[in-house]
Amino acid sequence: AQSVTQLDSQVPVFEEAPVELRCNYSSSVSVYLFWYVQYPNQGLQLLLKYLSGSTLVKGINGFEAEFNKSQTSFHLRKPSVHISDTAEYFCAAMYSGGGADGLTFGKGTHLIIQP
Amino acid sequence: DGGITQSPKYLFRKEGQNVTLSCEQNLNHDAMYWYRQDPGQGLRLIYYSQIVNDFQKGDIAEGYSVSREKKESFPLTVTSAQKNPTAFYLCASSKTGRSYEQYFGPGTRLTVT
Repeated sequence: AQSVTQLDSQVPVFEEAPVELRCNYSSSVSVYLFWYVQYPNQGLQLLLKYLSGSTLVKGINGFEAEFNKSQTSFHLRKPSVHISDTAEYFCAAMYSGGGADGLTFGKGTHLIIQP
Repeated sequence: DGGITQSPKYLFRKEGQNVTLSCEQNLNHDAMYWYRQDPGQGLRLIYYSQIVNDFQKGDIAEGYSVSREKKESFPLTVTSAQKNPTAFYLCASSKTGRSYEQYFGPGTRLTVT
């Protein structure tokens, strides 16, 4: 079965420091990758997506992610975080063929920004 | 403004009762989805629909039912057969095709006691 693994359930970081949230996906011939953010008791908002082409993808709110096929990773980064970045972050994949046609989500990483 | 609405925001039911969660979208999307979110578990797909009058089971469909009579609407019924129905339920929609991102509603928190 296809899977998405977020290696850290919680990441504490000081305000204005850089952050990396890690995501690995199970290898597939064809996969599309997404990062979503969820604020408390709200729905999910798309941060960025990788479909093809350049492996460095830029998203909203200063986030970016790098697709690494050899390491089957899609880590999310931000050079300087703000208190307002405190939220739950989800990595998700859309695989080709077989099974349901929805997104496969990781279990989420809670980003905690400390003043 | 285009978007997805889910109602109500909070829902309380007694065990043994069926309950229907509403999801409406005005984005003109063909595809709609229902996910369940539990703490520390991420989101898991319950049902999805690519077109009106057609829907498919997701990974955890047991104890749930859906209908898709209109393009804009995709209600989810949590039946009494669902063993652990207390959760946060999220509805999403997208254009048809794997490359299109899904847009999410604000969610409904269901508590069954």
